Amino acid sequence: NAGVTQTPKFRVLKTGQSMTLLCAQDMNHEYMYWYRQDPGMGLRLIHYSVGEGTTAKGEVPDGYNVSRLKKQNFLLGLESAAPSQTSVYFCASSAWRPGEKLFFGSGTQLSVL
Amino acid sequence: DAKTTQPPSMDCAEGRAANLPCNHSTISGNEYVYWYRQIHSQGPQYIIHGLKNNETNEMASLIITEDRKSSTLILPHATLRDTAVYYCIVRGPPTQGGSEKLVFGKGTKLTVNP
Repeated sequence: NAGVTQTPKFRVLKTGQSMTLLCAQDMNHEYMYWYRQDPGMGLRLIHYSVGEGTTAKGEVPDGYNVSRLKKQNFLLGLESAAPSQTSVYFCASSAWRPGEKLFFGSGTQLSVL
Repeated sequence: DAKTTQPPSMDCAEGRAANLPCNHSTISGNEYVYWYRQIHSQGPQYIIHGLKNNETNEMASLIITEDRKSSTLILPHATLRDTAVYYCIVRGPPTQGGSEKLVFGKGTKLTVNP
């Protein structure tokens, strides 16, 4: 049981390049989330999804797009990367039942030069 | 915005109990209180959660006040490895406008000193 897997673990981009971060969970969870964490800061919610084919904006959605075409995968896209998007990105998932806990991935370190 | 407030930092001596407070004065009756911690830049780790009653597991205890407007996470015998940022969040059921939009605050940086 892998839990929540994030791909890649590290990435360096040049300004203006695009990329997609993949989050995969094998727990049949309905809810999935993308967070970013800047140095010395807390987690900030980018986008989230409450089920296959649905997505919603979080606290800091600008510059990012997401898709949830399959229940087990939640993709985070950067169409034109900017240095301000240099951060650690965490994905999380959860079942929908009350009292269920959130499972986090190990993070993706992204640097935009 | 986060629905919880926590002190930015706390210190604790190794071997002593660490008591981390959290205020959630606007919590709804069906919202749970969850605690997570993050060591260095690792993914946050689940610690404990509760609704109304106090809870205990192998990691910690959670004390929720009777009015549910605040709670305290207790690490009974803190070790150096408990040095981390601790997050308190509230989360409701997925229906009726529940807290699907899970927002974390800045947490409490706990430093356990030798």
